[in-house]
Amino acid sequence: DSGVTQTPKHLITATGQRVTLRCSPRSGDLSVYWYQQSLDQGLQFLIQYYNGEERAKGNILERFSAQQFPDLHSELNLSSLELGDSALYFCASSVAPDRKVIQYFGAGTRLSVL
Amino acid sequence: GQQVMQIPQYQHVQEGEDFTTYCNSSTTLSNIQWYKQRPGGHPVFLIQLVKSGEVKKQKRLTFQFGEAKKNSSLHITATQTTDVGTYFCAALKTSYDKVIFGPGTSLSVIP
Repeated sequence: DSGVTQTPKHLITATGQRVTLRCSPRSGDLSVYWYQQSLDQGLQFLIQYYNGEERAKGNILERFSAQQFPDLHSELNLSSLELGDSALYFCASSVAPDRKVIQYFGAGTRLSVL
Repeated sequence: GQQVMQIPQYQHVQEGEDFTTYCNSSTTLSNIQWYKQRPGGHPVFLIQLVKSGEVKKQKRLTFQFGEAKKNSSLHITATQTTDVGTYFCAALKTSYDKVIFGPGTSLSVIP
């Protein structure tokens, strides 16, 4: 158990809908990262937050947004969903924003868009 | 932009055989990390390499960082069924740059 909690584990929804994925980082970790992993694909970095502030942006679509709250949990909002958004979404956390620090991954949320 | 490639994409080995995956970057890296993802699981950190030419060992796993800090390798000696999974390298150009994951090498071990 990495100590990173993601909910829900599975999500099934329809095209055009909006969903929210939630992540609670490990105790003491200030930085949260979001990744998308499509079937047989690698990990695509979406966005990173540190202590409530956006730190870095990757290949995140405009239909997607995220935030980190004062209690350090983070939410990833996906809107106007398309079939191609079906993927495994991972959240990871680390102590600091310095990327040399180890990232601990949650179990992921599997999103299916029908 | 920064590209990170991994070869091979897939590798099937007989249990007991050795396995090597290579990670190559188009640019010089600050450091490189390796992660393992078991089937149905999440990526788990294995190791981090920082210095040019660095070699680190974890039991049957040997990790190497190239002299030019543009490539890295992971070698597993005498594979076991527990080694099954996808091995990702994660490259960082600078300390505060976004991490770029390679596409991964999927290892299958035939008992």
